Amino acid sequence: DAGVTQSPTHLIKTRGQQVTLRCSPKSGHDTVSWYQQALGQGPQFIFQYYEEEERQRGNFPDRFSGHQFPNYSSELNVNALLLGDSALYLCASSLFGGALLRLADTQYFGPGTRLTVL
Amino acid sequence: ELKVEQNPLFLSMQEGKNYTIYCNYSTTSDRLYWYRQDPGKSLESLFVLLSNGAVKQEGRLMASLDTKARLSTLHITAAVHDLSATYFCAGPPQGGSEKLVFGKGTKLTVNP
Repeated sequence: DAGVTQSPTHLIKTRGQQVTLRCSPKSGHDTVSWYQQALGQGPQFIFQYYEEEERQRGNFPDRFSGHQFPNYSSELNVNALLLGDSALYLCASSLFGGALLRLADTQYFGPGTRLTVL
Repeated sequence: ELKVEQNPLFLSMQEGKNYTIYCNYSTTSDRLYWYRQDPGKSLESLFVLLSNGAVKQEGRLMASLDTKARLSTLHITAAVHDLSATYFCAGPPQGGSEKLVFGKGTKLTVNP
């Protein structure tokens, strides 16, 4: 049973460039959430996708956008990169509605993509 | 907006000793998660606490939840070096939300 996968593992970009990160959820999951983790900090929620739509969004600018495909995989796009966008980007998958149903199923995190902006 | 505070942020302890990490949160939350993160790695799920008074144990780690006090604890018993990692607690900002708000993490170092 494949867990959450992300690609690429590492990425180096320069300021002003654009980047696309990819995530495939755990088998059986239909919801993908993206988090940004700066060095020495806890992860911060960017947004969540379900049924190919953005369902919730954190406090991130419009430069951060996403997409979910029919097979539940997802992309995170960041435009006009800033130095402050350097971070570990984590994808988490879950089953939509699991929280309301009080399921014990947690959000499972992928290995992350380390983005460095120079 | 939910705020999650962990303390201590840094913890250095000797092997064989016991200690507790505290997680306070600011508003009512119906779930509390604990994650472990090794340097340069992703988050590994440790516990999901779903109700007041919930207690879960795995090996040398035990987590509990007191929703009235808005407090969760992660207790470490007879620490070993392999437990060295950063531990995060996280909760949803409102009932039913699947967004998680994380604390800043507690970096635990267990010395021989």
